[in-house]
Amino acid sequence: EADIYQTPRYLVIGTGKKITLECSQTMGHDKMYWYQQDPGMELHLIHYSYGVNSTEKGDLSSESTVSRIRTEHFPLTLESARPSHTSQYLCASSEYYRADYGYTFGSGTRLTVV
Amino acid sequence: GQNIDQPTEMTATEGAIVQINCTYQTSGFNGLFWYQQHAGEAPTFLSYNVLDGLEEKGRFSSFLSRSKGYSYLLLKELQMKDSASYLCAVHSLGNQFYFGTGTSLTVIP
Repeated sequence: EADIYQTPRYLVIGTGKKITLECSQTMGHDKMYWYQQDPGMELHLIHYSYGVNSTEKGDLSSESTVSRIRTEHFPLTLESARPSHTSQYLCASSEYYRADYGYTFGSGTRLTVV
Repeated sequence: GQNIDQPTEMTATEGAIVQINCTYQTSGFNGLFWYQQHAGEAPTFLSYNVLDGLEEKGRFSSFLSRSKGYSYLLLKELQMKDSASYLCAVHSLGNQFYFGTGTSLTVIP
């Protein structure tokens, strides 16, 4: 039973469309993250949050935005999807003061922009 | 910048032992993690090292040397289901996790 949920699992969308990838966790974790991962490649941090009303950009600029209005919810929005956004998007969460627990990852959203 | 290196691919035989190495250069160090990722799935947490030495967890062990910027993951009694990608990740200052590209392990009969 997953404690962190991502929807949709798969998405095919046309260029220029606005999309929101959902991520919710039931563990009460303060920290949440979005990563982008291409097949066989490393994970790149897109955005992260330390808690409600906290959002920061990661190393990879993906022309996306996030919001953290509630502890459990951390959606990622692409205002205008492009083929270069085709990738897998992984959401993760962790406890602020328990680094030894590492991340819990969601199952991911595989996005294809045509 | 952050630099984490792992071998790209490894192959080992069922029942054998395999060691996957990871070297890192990061701005600060708060711990090193190993994750397992099966194709098309999310990474799952395997181990955590913050002090030098060996941490053992069943068939999996992880070693850290902070002075050398080096870690390894040791998998014993390999099973076919251990075929996966193994990601080394460093928790650096600024509360960020930086991942290597992963080592794709293939276990053969």
